[in-house]
Amino acid sequence: SQQGEEDPQALSIQEGENATMNCSYKTSINNLQWYRQNSGRGLVHLILIRSNEREKHSGRLRVTLDTSKKSSSLLITASRAADTASYFCATDAMETSGSRLTFGEGTQLTVNP
Amino acid sequence: SAVISQKPSRDICQRGTSLTIQCQVDSQVTMMFWYRQQPGQSLTLIATANQGSEATYESGFVIDKFPISRPNLTFSTLTVSNMSPEDSSIYLCSVLRGVGDTQYFGPGTRLTVL
Repeated sequence: SQQGEEDPQALSIQEGENATMNCSYKTSINNLQWYRQNSGRGLVHLILIRSNEREKHSGRLRVTLDTSKKSSSLLITASRAADTASYFCATDAMETSGSRLTFGEGTQLTVNP
Repeated sequence: SAVISQKPSRDICQRGTSLTIQCQVDSQVTMMFWYRQQPGQSLTLIATANQGSEATYESGFVIDKFPISRPNLTFSTLTVSNMSPEDSSIYLCSVLRGVGDTQYFGPGTRLTVL
């Protein structure tokens, strides 16, 4: 399996509901970053969480990191139709030099109006 | 953050030809990277573009197929050589100002090879 696996692969919810996406990884990391991608366009950076941090917030986004379980979650609260996109986690592994990122397979989120 | 542009935004190319993709950043950055995203899949790192020296390629990618230039701290090019339909992908550049910092991505170049 690859570093950075996400579940679920696809998530469909109603507007106003919360969406939770999970990411697991295999090696020790320097940091973990979450990105959003709208329909084949470029990646938009959402949040970076460092290995010594457990939780970060940004607006309606909440990211947690559990290094003992090698997992992270992204919570989007009060979702909107505009949140429909693919969400990727990416890890910067300690064992590799140069801040190269390894991406998860992504979660396709659909928010129905 | 960083403002990153890529040219072209998309192209349709014939098998056997080559395409050079440009990546321009609005300020000097330490590191630049090139990624590939095949249809319906996640991103895979092709190489790290090093300023003033040869690029560092990931397993499965070679310089003859994906030559990279980085003449200065704000610009890089990736060439996709001798293309085949399997090269149809989105190619994205990304930048990093410092080790461990946020990595920002360009808008991508959507390549279709016929």
